[in-house]
Amino acid sequence: EAGVAQSPRYKIIEKRQSVAFWCNPISGHATLYWYQQILGQGPKLLIQFQNNGVVDDSQLPKDRFSAERLKGVDSTLKIQPAKLEDSAVYLCASSLEPGSINYGYTFGSGTRLTVV
Amino acid sequence: GDSVTQMEGPVTLSEEAFLTINCTYTATGYPSLFWYVQYPGEGLQLLLKATKADDKGSNKGFEATYRKETTSFHLEKGSVQVSDSAVYFCALSDRLAGGTSYGKLTFGQGTILTVHP
Repeated sequence: EAGVAQSPRYKIIEKRQSVAFWCNPISGHATLYWYQQILGQGPKLLIQFQNNGVVDDSQLPKDRFSAERLKGVDSTLKIQPAKLEDSAVYLCASSLEPGSINYGYTFGSGTRLTVV
Repeated sequence: GDSVTQMEGPVTLSEEAFLTINCTYTATGYPSLFWYVQYPGEGLQLLLKATKADDKGSNKGFEATYRKETTSFHLEKGSVQVSDSAVYFCALSDRLAGGTSYGKLTFGQGTILTVHP
């Protein structure tokens, strides 16, 4: 089966600019996650969707970050305006059904964002 | 809240050496425990998992045992290879009583492993 697709792979922007990342999960996976991985740290959950509804966005900086998952499939994560501390790898992951972490929780390769 | 602590790194070993990467956790429910591996230029991959106390996860010669009494899930391999060079992450997914997992993963900070020929 195809994996979790993310684009772009790399992005360099200036601070205060906006940026968007795209994720296409594995077909049929109801749950989609966005994680932020800062260099030297483990990934941190930003937001979790179940179909097109938000399950957990408690760690999403809502003043600058937004995410949506239209029609319960693809998802976009946006940052506006970006800050230097947003430089990180943004990982998308999907799983088959809520709580089915034992059944194929798959990560994409990530988008590496550099804010200068 | 939930947290995972991994041993300080990086770790540098010679080929065929024994590997241990320590991992301890704090969780309020009944967590499942995982080791993920990230090879250079690649995404995170599940290496092994354990879903209840005393379970042993194993894959590709790596093993880890879920120790509830010491809240630990240390990763071991008897003989490492150059191809094992990667970043290793310990993670947990908490569950409420009744076994319903939310799927959210809490990660440790990662341990860089470098194996020399």
